Amino acid sequence: EAQVTQNPRYLITVTGKKLTVTCSQNMNHEYMSWYRQDPGLGLRQIYYSMNVEVTDKGDVPEGYKVSRKEKRNFPLILESPSPNQTSLYFCASSPGYGLAGVDTQYFGPGTRLTVL
Amino acid sequence: GESVGLHLPTLSVQEGDNSIINCAYSNSASDYFIWYKQESGKGPQFIIDIRSNMDKRQGQRVTVLLNKTVKHLSLQIAATQPGDSAVYFCAENLGGSQGNLIFGKGTKLSVKP
Repeated sequence: EAQVTQNPRYLITVTGKKLTVTCSQNMNHEYMSWYRQDPGLGLRQIYYSMNVEVTDKGDVPEGYKVSRKEKRNFPLILESPSPNQTSLYFCASSPGYGLAGVDTQYFGPGTRLTVL
Repeated sequence: GESVGLHLPTLSVQEGDNSIINCAYSNSASDYFIWYKQESGKGPQFIIDIRSNMDKRQGQRVTVLLNKTVKHLSLQIAATQPGDSAVYFCAENLGGSQGNLIFGKGTKLSVKP
């Protein structure tokens, strides 16, 4: 089944404790992206990757890192999480064709992160 | 499911009626637009897209209209069904900035049976 998977789905952690949220897609998509979703603010793009070893900042990259060593995986790293990073996080992937390079994005199920 | 739509604009329609959801986008240089649907507890789902060289595009039961003069996008849903109840987001891509998407804050659609 074609899908985007994220792990963990729920995570409660403490300030300053490094964490990684994994994202994997099995559709051989070139484009992958991370978003955070907060009440009243909608979805905001954190980082995106047009292809392997190519990553770019979105609108809210501060406090986050990503890597794209292989096409299927795009982990989101919080080196020193803070309470303002408490949010619902979505990973997405897309074939990467077309004018915008994003086309139809397939979203993962989301990861609810709470930083105490 | 998770609540991600606090204080969202809400549109309430009767089952069978047509729905129109509006979106004002921010950048006149944006040249690609997408509508997403997000049901409670799930990730967003692609509905339809439109490029800036078009002013209308139709899908199955949905139509997107683009008015570049006033930077306005709308999503029309024909014969709205209870399964259409969700939060709807528009997203824009700035021309020349491949991969960067800016989302609107969303509109919650409630369909009354």
